Amino acid sequence: EVQLVESGGGLVQPGGSLRLSCAASAFIFSDYYMDWVRQAPGKGLEWVGRIRNKANSYTTEYAASVKGRFTISRDDSKNSLYLQMNSLKTEDTAVYYCARAGVGAAFDYWGQGNLVTVSS
Amino acid sequence: DIQLTQSPSFLSASVGDRVIITCRASQGISSSLAWYQQKPGKAPKLLIYSASTLQSGVASRFSGSGSGTEFTLTISSLQPEDFATYYCQQVKSYPQTFGPGTKVDIK
Repeated sequence: EVQLVESGGGLVQPGGSLRLSCAASAFIFSDYYMDWVRQAPGKGLEWVGRIRNKANSYTTEYAASVKGRFTISRDDSKNSLYLQMNSLKTEDTAVYYCARAGVGAAFDYWGQGNLVTVSS
Repeated sequence: DIQLTQSPSFLSASVGDRVIITCRASQGISSSLAWYQQKPGKAPKLLIYSASTLQSGVASRFSGSGSGTEFTLTISSLQPEDFATYYCQQVKSYPQTFGPGTKVDIK
C-alpha cells in the first residue's frame, strides 16, 4: 500500500527555520513528481511547491508566497522528500501535506499532514 | 495566476439528493482539473482527475464534467459518508491553484 509519512513539524518562532520530511513507501519514488500543499487553520488548500524527478533534473516550482524562503529537495536513495522552511512568518502556520503527483498530474496520495505553528 | 471559484460555497442537502458543485477558472485550462474530498482532520482524497476520469476506488456516484473554464462535480445520490468539503484544483499551469471549497452539510 502506498504510504507517505510526514515528520518534523512543531512550534517555531517567527524568523526561525524548520525542516519537514516525508517518507514514501510501496511505489517507485524516483519516478514521481512530488508536491507540498498546506492548509492554514480553518482555511482552504494552498499549493506550496513541486520537485520533479531525476529525468526532469529535479527542477522545482514554488508559490510566490514561499519563493526564496522555502526549498524543496528529495533523496531518492532514501525515498524521502523534504521541505526546508526559513524566515518563517506567522502566516506560514498551517498543516503541511506532502503529495504524489500521479495520473493527470493530480495528487493521488497524500501524507497525514504535519502541523507547523509559527508563534512567539 | 489562474483563479478558481466554486459555487455554492455551502450546500445543505439530504441523503439521496443529487448534488452539483461548479468550479470556474479565470482562463481556459482545457481538462486539467481535479476534484478532492476532505473530511475534518483528514488529508484530501482524490475523486476525479482530468476533469472527468474517476480515480480508482472512488464510488461511481461521483462524476465530473467540463472543459475550458467551467466544470462540475456531481454526486448522483448523496450518502452519509459524502458530507465533507470539496475542492477543485487546476494543474494546467504554475502556480497550481485550488478553489475555495464547497462544504456539503446535512439538511
